[in-house]
Amino acid sequence: NAGVTQTPKFQVLKTGQSMTLQCAQDMNHEYMSWYRQDPGMGLRLIHYSVGAGITDQGEVPNGYNVSRSTTEDFPLRLLSAAPSQTSVYFCASRPGQGNEKLFFGSGTQLSVL
Amino acid sequence: AQSVTQLGSHVSVSEGALVLLRCNYSSSVPPYLFWYVQYPNQGLQLLLKYTSAATLVKGINGFEAEFKKSETSFHLTKPSAHMSDAAEYFCAVSESQKVTFGTGTKLQVIP
Repeated sequence: NAGVTQTPKFQVLKTGQSMTLQCAQDMNHEYMSWYRQDPGMGLRLIHYSVGAGITDQGEVPNGYNVSRSTTEDFPLRLLSAAPSQTSVYFCASRPGQGNEKLFFGSGTQLSVL
Repeated sequence: AQSVTQLGSHVSVSEGALVLLRCNYSSSVPPYLFWYVQYPNQGLQLLLKYTSAATLVKGINGFEAEFKKSETSFHLTKPSAHMSDAAEYFCAVSESQKVTFGTGTKLQVIP
């Protein structure tokens, strides 16, 4: 059982470039989310989805887009990368209920030069 | 809006000593509360969770946490620290569809 799979693990971008971080889960979880982790700031919610076709903004959505066309996949798009988006990004999923734990991917380390 | 405050970004304890990591929360409804652990270069793993059953919650690796509504606290403890406990610990609150994390506490265990 693969769980939550994120690709790539590392990425370097130049300012202004666009890219997509991939996230896939094989647990049939309704809920999926993206966080960024920065030193001293913990994990901050970027976007989340409660099911296919439904997405909503988190705490820090600016500069990021998401879509949820299938239950399994929840890609995160950076439209025009900025140095402020240098961070470690985590995808997480869970069954629909809020009392269930989050299952995390192993993270994507992104540097924007 | 929900929020989580973790007091102390770094905590150092001697091996065998008590571990106490502090977490206070605010939530407009009875919360679901979690503690996660992150080892270097890994994602987060669940240590334990509170979901309105027993106020004292036991988790993995000998950790436990007590929910105190009057103090809006959910502090994490372990009676005797091991070297393998060195990691970063995050408290989190789940309300509606959002999970909010604290800023984390790095635990150092001194031999």
